[in-house]
Amino acid sequence: DTAVSQTPKYLVTQMGNDKSIKCEQNLGHDTMYWYKQDSKKFLKIMFSYNNKELIINETVPNRFSPKSPDKAHLNLHINSLELGDSAVYFCASSQRSPPTQNEQFFGPGTRLTVL
Amino acid sequence: GQQVMQIPQYQHVQEGEDFTTYCNSSTTLSNIQWYKQRPGGHPVFLIQLVKSGEVKKQKRLTFQFGEAKKNSSLHITATQTTDVGTYFCAGREYNFNKFYFGSGTKLNVKP
Repeated sequence: DTAVSQTPKYLVTQMGNDKSIKCEQNLGHDTMYWYKQDSKKFLKIMFSYNNKELIINETVPNRFSPKSPDKAHLNLHINSLELGDSAVYFCASSQRSPPTQNEQFFGPGTRLTVL
Repeated sequence: GQQVMQIPQYQHVQEGEDFTTYCNSSTTLSNIQWYKQRPGGHPVFLIQLVKSGEVKKQKRLTFQFGEAKKNSSLHITATQTTDVGTYFCAGREYNFNKFYFGSGTKLNVKP
């Protein structure tokens, strides 16, 4: 059973399109995250939700909008995709909410390619 | 703002040689985590260090947290080809709710 799952695994799309990435965790964690990993492998946090509430919102273009329908799901919607959005997007979850955080469990990643 | 620097960026070693990656923060950290990402894979948690001067071992891996809680290191003794991957540190500041990942050290082990 996959602990943190993401769909789709690969996403190839044209500039200007709108796309969504879905994430689900079955670990019972109360905190979920979205990270972006660029071609140089830098891992940068984008958003974090705790019990469906947005707690971290980094400097990310407002074309990116996270949605957490329940604490087991955190989706990422991207409007008007740009070439620079091409990256691997990782979803992650952790057991406890801040300030005490345990290990983060990462999903397999979604490789987004914008043409 | 918070910065977590990691060196070296790349390290190529012969199987059996030792390897060390260093992580330095511009500010004092409340704790630090280490992750390993295999090529094409996702980051996998290795360990968390919380106390000043803490040292933890996992088989051939030794993790240290500096006395000032601003730096950390991961040392692998007698590397194996299974150690190949990118090693990331992730530090959390006091009073902040997020981890800042270092830039990663990519380890290649030649058999």
